Parts: sequence; structure tokens; C-alpha cells
Amino acid sequence: QKEVEQNSGPLSVPEGAIASLNCTYSDRGSQSFFWYRQYSGKSPELIMFIYSNGDKEDGRFTAQLNKASQYVSLLIRDSQPSDSATYLCAVVRSQGNLIFGKGTKLSVKP
Amino acid sequence: DAGITQSPRHKVTETGTPVTLRCHQTENHRYMYWYRQDPGHGLRLIHYSYGVKDTDKGEVSDGYSVSRSKTEDFLLTLESATSSQTSVYFCAISESTRGATDTQYFGPGTRLTVL
Repeated sequence: QKEVEQNSGPLSVPEGAIASLNCTYSDRGSQSFFWYRQYSGKSPELIMFIYSNGDKEDGRFTAQLNKASQYVSLLIRDSQPSDSATYLCAVVRSQGNLIFGKGTKLSVKP
Repeated sequence: DAGITQSPRHKVTETGTPVTLRCHQTENHRYMYWYRQDPGHGLRLIHYSYGVKDTDKGEVSDGYSVSRSKTEDFLLTLESATSSQTSVYFCAISESTRGATDTQYFGPGTRLTVL
């Protein structure tokens, strides 16, 4: 089992819809979880971090964490064409090192 | 934006030549990291540093060495570049590896091509 798994996509949603990005992880001792956005040819930029079970909202973005199911997701409400990018899930393992998923490519169609 | 710069931003070199990439930060963060990003593999950790002169290996460290003589600078050296080291290299920084300050921030990247 890969340590951090994401569907590679592409995930295509119409403008204004909700985009749902999912991530599972294998290390049950993981404590910190991050979502990064990466535009083509650019560096990853932090969108959100979440440490506790439940939902965390920041503007149009909501991160959801379920440690029992080893599952973290990112919801993007009112998706815009400018949200089109690759979204990287990252998990701090119990040993303290950060592991990235391969990313999900999101395409928001006008 | 976190104060992280990388140099050079683009480099083309030949197999067998030494290459050094530089990462410079103005945030005074303790931890610095070097990653490579390749299609199909995502971001993979090469080496990291937890203080001046304190470094450790990541998952893909073979063929790479690092040095950190000052808090603000972290150098990545390819002693003898190979075509398999063609990649985009990212530097990242963080205040810690645990708790609320473990977020990593990335530099702009260096695109390296080894012919």
C-alpha cells in the first residue's frame, strides 16, 4: 500500500460546482495533514493544514479529516477556472517526515 | 510569500559534471529540505537539515550531498550528474517538524537538465 494515495485525475468540474479531492494514508500515527496547490510550472503553495478530526473551513476551501478511516479530503466550493491546478495531499508521518501523494489534477470548465 | 530563493532557476549540464544548487531563506527557519519532483513520482525528499551542519538523508539521497554552513543557506550538490537526475528541484523550509509550526513552504524551484 502506498503511503499517501490520491486519484491522479483529471477531475473535471463545471464552474460554480463543488470539487471534492480525496486522499488516504497508511501510517495510523500520522498527526498533521496538508493540502498544497501546484499550478503547472510553479512550486507547491499551501492551501490548508488540519490536525484534528472533523472539518476546517477557510473561505471556499474545507478540509475534512477522519483519522479512524485514515482519510483526508479537500472540498472547493464555487469552483473557479483559476482553481484548475494539481492538488497535493501531504502527511507528516509518526517519525516526523512529510510524505506527499502524487497529486490530483483538477480542471474547472467555464 | 515565504522568503525563499533558489539559484540557478534553470540549468543544463552534461553527464559527469558537478552541479551545485543553492537555497537561501530569510525566515530564520531551523529546518530546510531538498525535494525532487518527477512525473509519476510526485515530490520525493532528497536530504534535509535540522540546523547548521546537521543534515540527514531522505528517501532518494543516492548521488546527492548537501551542506549547511549558515542558517540561511542549504546547498545541494550532484557530484557527477547523470541523466536520471534530470528533474525539478524544490527547496522547502519549516520552523519545526512537529505541531503547529511544521508547515513546509516551498521555493520557486530549479529545473535541471542533464544531457
